[in-house]
Amino acid sequence: DAGITQSPRYKITETGRQVTLMCHQTWSHSYMFWYRQDLGHGLRLIYYSAAADITDKGEVPDGYVVSRSKTENFPLTLESATRSQTSVYFCASTPRSSYNEQFFGPGTRLTVL
Amino acid sequence: KNQVEQSPQSLIILEGKNCTLQCNYTVSPFSNLRWYKQDTGRGPVSLTIMTFSENTKSNGRYTATLDADTKQSSLHITASQLSDSASYICVVRDPSGSARQLTFGSGTQLTVLP
Repeated sequence: DAGITQSPRYKITETGRQVTLMCHQTWSHSYMFWYRQDLGHGLRLIYYSAAADITDKGEVPDGYVVSRSKTENFPLTLESATRSQTSVYFCASTPRSSYNEQFFGPGTRLTVL
Repeated sequence: KNQVEQSPQSLIILEGKNCTLQCNYTVSPFSNLRWYKQDTGRGPVSLTIMTFSENTKSNGRYTATLDADTKQSSLHITASQLSDSASYICVVRDPSGSARQLTFGSGTQLTVLP
């Protein structure tokens, strides 16, 4: 299906485990983003990518790792999950210009016990 | 630090009524201001976008206004429907061109009751 998808939609894990959240888009958008959304906070940028093999930190990158070997995929890895990383994670993409509308995935709700 | 403040945090109205959501920002200068609608369990979807030179933009029953002098925007919803129940998020972009330079408000949770 066309669009942007995230998997899994829900994930429960334990402190210290490695977790990878997947993001896939079918539009061939250049830019992709990872955000976290917590109660009382606006969406906060974790990492973004301007193209394959180009990634950069956002506002809250600590504890997260990203890669982008293919334009359509942008996985987010929590190398050693902590309770403070319990959140809803959104992936987004946008065409070449970073001024364009961002198209968001449905989100992954992650709980770290 | 750039900030975007939205009010009220939550709002309950009856179906068919109008309402207005507020967004105040400190981003200066700014490139554009966008309103998103986020349904429960979904990602945000863009409703409107305004540049600093625009002061009104409509999308069906949604009308956004912008006062760049006072750094305020509002989103007016006319003749509300149950499907308008959602969180409405104001997002301001500065003109740096960096992908980092979006500042998100924390949203207004709107509930429309029958």
